[in-house]
Amino acid sequence: GDSVTQMEGPVTLSEEAFLTINCTYTATGYPSLFWYVQYPGEGLQLLLKATKADDKGSNKGFEATYRKETTSFHLEKGSVQVSDSAVYFCALSLYNQGGKLIFGQGTELSVKP
Amino acid sequence: GAGVSQSPSNKVTEKGKDVELRCDPISGHTALYWYRQSLGQGLEFLIYFQGNSAPDKSGLPSDRFSAERTGGSVSTLTIQRTQQEDSAVYLCASSSYRDSGTYEQYFGPGTRLTVT
Repeated sequence: GDSVTQMEGPVTLSEEAFLTINCTYTATGYPSLFWYVQYPGEGLQLLLKATKADDKGSNKGFEATYRKETTSFHLEKGSVQVSDSAVYFCALSLYNQGGKLIFGQGTELSVKP
Repeated sequence: GAGVSQSPSNKVTEKGKDVELRCDPISGHTALYWYRQSLGQGLEFLIYFQGNSAPDKSGLPSDRFSAERTGGSVSTLTIQRTQQEDSAVYLCASSSYRDSGTYEQYFGPGTRLTVT
């Protein structure tokens, strides 16, 4: 079946460190890929997305590239801030399934000053 | 504009009681989704509406769970005879078809359900 696997957390980094959160997927069709973020006490927000191979999604200094050959969508940021502390979810959706999201298990990021 | 709203924000109920959770999607969004977020299971899809019909109910965990959507807008998720394992945050999202062919979903703040 369709699934998403993320690296396990929690991930703890110092401010200005480089961030990578790995995400790989299995899909029966050609999915769209998303990263959602959940800040403490807040709801889920779309961070970035990519809809076809080699697309790069970017927002707030975060980037992820849709790699069809490796079925991956790793999230990166060059210099994290304390305000980036949150839980990050990788997800896929398939158009022929009405766009329902299939989520990874989430990765908690804690950034220390 | 107004985002997705959900009510109540918190609900504490006794085991065996029925509960109703409400979702008001973004105006004009044709698709509506329910998800559940729990510690043990992460984020799980429950049901999806396109207009008032539900083409995909595959995520509903048991026949105690049901949902409806009226007027292509408000949706209600009903859990009958609640059990402790139903305790979770229930999230609603809505979307409209984007030119890119994806359904970009916007989430509400969730209803935290606690079954005692």
